[in-house]
Amino acid sequence: SAVISQKPSRDICQRGTSLTIQCQVDSQVTMMFWYRQQPGQSLTLIATANQGSEATYESGFVIDKFPISRPNLTFSTLTVSNMSPEDSSIYLCSVDLAQGEQYFGPGTRLTVT
Amino acid sequence: AQRVTQPEKLLSVFKGAPVELKCNYSYSGSPELFWYVQYSRQRLQLLLRHISRESIKGFTADLNKGETSFHLKKPFAQEEDSAMYYCALEHASGGSYIPTFGRGTSLIVHP
Repeated sequence: SAVISQKPSRDICQRGTSLTIQCQVDSQVTMMFWYRQQPGQSLTLIATANQGSEATYESGFVIDKFPISRPNLTFSTLTVSNMSPEDSSIYLCSVDLAQGEQYFGPGTRLTVT
Repeated sequence: AQRVTQPEKLLSVFKGAPVELKCNYSYSGSPELFWYVQYSRQRLQLLLRHISRESIKGFTADLNKGETSFHLKKPFAQEEDSAMYYCALEHASGGSYIPTFGRGTSLIVHP
């Protein structure tokens, strides 16, 4: 298993601003994943972050809006840029430790006003 | 492209009743399938995966390749089973596994 933490746990932001979410893992992992979990909707994969390379974004998500950093094997950040109320959601990070099994962080609840 | 469908947004049963949460998938390769659960105020966590063929908390799920289904079942629901359940498919890509989740089914077990 893994201990995964996220900061901040929640935030309220004004539209047009940006927020950077941090994800820290207590062990070295190759892949880290970022998701959006909107109320009543599916858990949607935003991008996959591989250490030392550009993140791979899923359809509907772009780097300009959701830039990701992956400076080492235990840490990643996701920035939600130029926020609008539609970006209000829970953002989750996860890691794959055992052949596809995902371990999730506690999530960051973002509200954009 | 891979897809996971959970047709029921909400499933409401009484304690002691059987429960079945449906999951269908589409994937051209050999799928790795999982069920994740999120209890109130807790983080999302793995419930079971198809290759382990285990029963976890009384839940089982059988992969039916003919019907492309991976339904989650429990013969006698308990109140503590109330949670959000996500079916997920992992497909291999570039040496890693990339997840695709269904939209989730909220299970409510009434006393």
